[in-house]
Amino acid sequence: DAKTTQPNSMESNEEEPVHLPCNHSTISGTDYIHWYRQLPSQGPEYVIHGLTSNVNNRMASLAIAEDRKSSTLILHRATLRDAAVYYCIHRREYGNKLVFGAGTILRVKS
Amino acid sequence: NAGVMQNPRHLVRRRGQEARLRCSPMKGHSHVYWYRQLPEEGLKFMVYLQKENIIDESGMPKERFSAEFPKEGPSILRIQQVVRGDSAAYFCASSLPPGQGHNEKLFFGSGTQLSVL
Repeated sequence: DAKTTQPNSMESNEEEPVHLPCNHSTISGTDYIHWYRQLPSQGPEYVIHGLTSNVNNRMASLAIAEDRKSSTLILHRATLRDAAVYYCIHRREYGNKLVFGAGTILRVKS
Repeated sequence: NAGVMQNPRHLVRRRGQEARLRCSPMKGHSHVYWYRQLPEEGLKFMVYLQKENIIDESGMPKERFSAEFPKEGPSILRIQQVVRGDSAAYFCASSLPPGQGHNEKLFFGSGTQLSVL
């Protein structure tokens, strides 16, 4: 899995939207973009994934740039429970394992 | 449907002892992954197993570490002759068998915190 670049940390106010960026300039055409998060003292948790089109689920939205070299995870209304490390990963088609980078530490202020 | 179960939650060993970490995947999942997270560091892939078969062990240290996923029972990560540097959180994940594109979600357990005295 190729390397992604994320900010080390970000801060948000509770009840406000959060946009977490990720650069993946070396992504190939068949790599999927996955987001996982890790809450304190817990294992990682799947958030969302996509290939080319924007994706929405109950947790978040994923906006993928047209050239696929970057993506943004959107939490529509941050809560204190969203404070976690967020990992952006691009995963080869037919590659099951995930290779985690350093991720972005998201702090949510009340 | 219970999630991925790891036990023990905390494990304390003295240097030179053996550590055995267990992982029961989610029901219906035949693929298991082990990751290690050292203090203040990221998650590092160790090994990927299918029942009775190691698929990818590229992240496993060459010595003292072994993993298995038998036909019956949990997956076991075994560390022989533990050293202080083995102190870390060990996470297990499971997934469904690969489908088209092999992009199944991984479901993680809560981890085993290994402390070596």
